Amino acid sequence: DQQVKQNSPSLSVQEGRISILNCDYTNSMFDYFLWYKKYPAEGPTFLISISSIKDKNEDGRFTVFLNKSAKHLSLHIVPSQPGDSAVYFCAASAEGAGSYQLTFGKGTKLSVIP
Amino acid sequence: GAGVSQSPRYKVAKRGQDVALRCDPISGHVSLFWYQQALGQGPEFLTYFQNEAQLDKSGLPSDRFFAERPEGSVSTLKIQRTQQEDSAVYLCASSLAMGGYGYTFGSGTRLTVV
Repeated sequence: DQQVKQNSPSLSVQEGRISILNCDYTNSMFDYFLWYKKYPAEGPTFLISISSIKDKNEDGRFTVFLNKSAKHLSLHIVPSQPGDSAVYFCAASAEGAGSYQLTFGKGTKLSVIP
Repeated sequence: GAGVSQSPRYKVAKRGQDVALRCDPISGHVSLFWYQQALGQGPEFLTYFQNEAQLDKSGLPSDRFFAERPEGSVSTLKIQRTQQEDSAVYLCASSLAMGGYGYTFGSGTRLTVV
């Protein structure tokens, strides 16, 4: 059973528009959420994170929103650029429960069309 | 070094062969993680070290998998009697502090068992 779900395997967006990537989780113990970006043949690169005590975190073009009651988070990229084309992974951990391991979703492949 | 280095980048093993995968973390990084990423999936946690202590090995799929970090720096993931289902990319990540937030991934070792 997947505790972190990314239901959209792929997403195509025009350059300059907003990209919205979604993630759902089932484990109520998760208290920290992260987004990673991955290019082919490279390891995942940390993008942005959010603690469960917040509902929004912004870093430049990237904003993560957390809805704890719905167990849902989303990553907004605006404006989208061709260099944003990559696979995006949502991940979660339960550090408050003493667990440092990350649980990842299956990823969403974002294609930004020039 | 500047990043997390993993070797070899690619490994082809015959079924039943033993393999050893190496991870050189960023110098001074305390935490070290191993993840397994099967094709089309997100990374899955295998094990976690804090310095030389293996604090969590709950993700190791069987007793054929063994990880060590004897001096608190370089780590080796060993897989004995490899099987086809072991084919995956094995990712190593390290972090300066306890826990994993903001940790840096290596590019991984792609293991193919034939």
